[in-house]
Amino acid sequence: DIQMTQSPSSLSASVGDRVTITCRAGQSISTYLNWYQQKAGKAPKLLIYAASNLQSGVPSKITGSGSGTNFTLTISSLQPEDFATYYCQQNYRTPYSFGQGTKLDI
Amino acid sequence: VQLVESGGGSVQPGGSLRLSCAASGFTFSSYWMHWVRQAPGKGLVWVSHIDTDGSTTNYADSVKGRFTISRDNAENTLYLQMSSLRAEDTAVYYCARDEGSGTYYSWFDPWGQGTLVTVSS
Repeated sequence: DIQMTQSPSSLSASVGDRVTITCRAGQSISTYLNWYQQKAGKAPKLLIYAASNLQSGVPSKITGSGSGTNFTLTISSLQPEDFATYYCQQNYRTPYSFGQGTKLDI
Repeated sequence: VQLVESGGGSVQPGGSLRLSCAASGFTFSSYWMHWVRQAPGKGLVWVSHIDTDGSTTNYADSVKGRFTISRDNAENTLYLQMSSLRAEDTAVYYCARDEGSGTYYSWFDPWGQGTLVTVSS
């Protein structure tokens, strides 16, 4: 199985800040990497697919990059609605493993 | 585009439960589908997927041999039959559409609202 490790596990930031979350795969996964946002009590929401492609309807202040084993999710100009938990997920091979999550709070 | 899960509830260890996921607003038969679960306060765990006609399925090791994924394209419904349930199967179960169907990639959008399964004596 491919291990996905996110860092940090939690992150405190302020409105207006720019933050970066890192995801590392246990082996090379090319660009088979997605990012999701999950708010408390809600279903996850797709943000980025194939490492750097912005899902329709997601604001352009959210960007994804990386390939191989190292990936980043960057959120600029944080707004109150951005405070949530973020997960990376590899889809290179089943089981399609997720990172442990990064909780972004104020 | 909407996915609505149902069938969750409380069950004793060793029991069975069948989850359903009703799809609407898109051509259900054109998409691979997935189940993902989330134990209380924990992260997301992929459980299973099924291809468009049900001929190909895959499972996480933790549920292999106990869970069965299936679909009814005529009824636009995805299922997860769960048996020999254990306390560690307690989780919210989400169904999700694989929007990458037909490409080499796989990405999940949208997700259903989730249904809670509690396994306890």
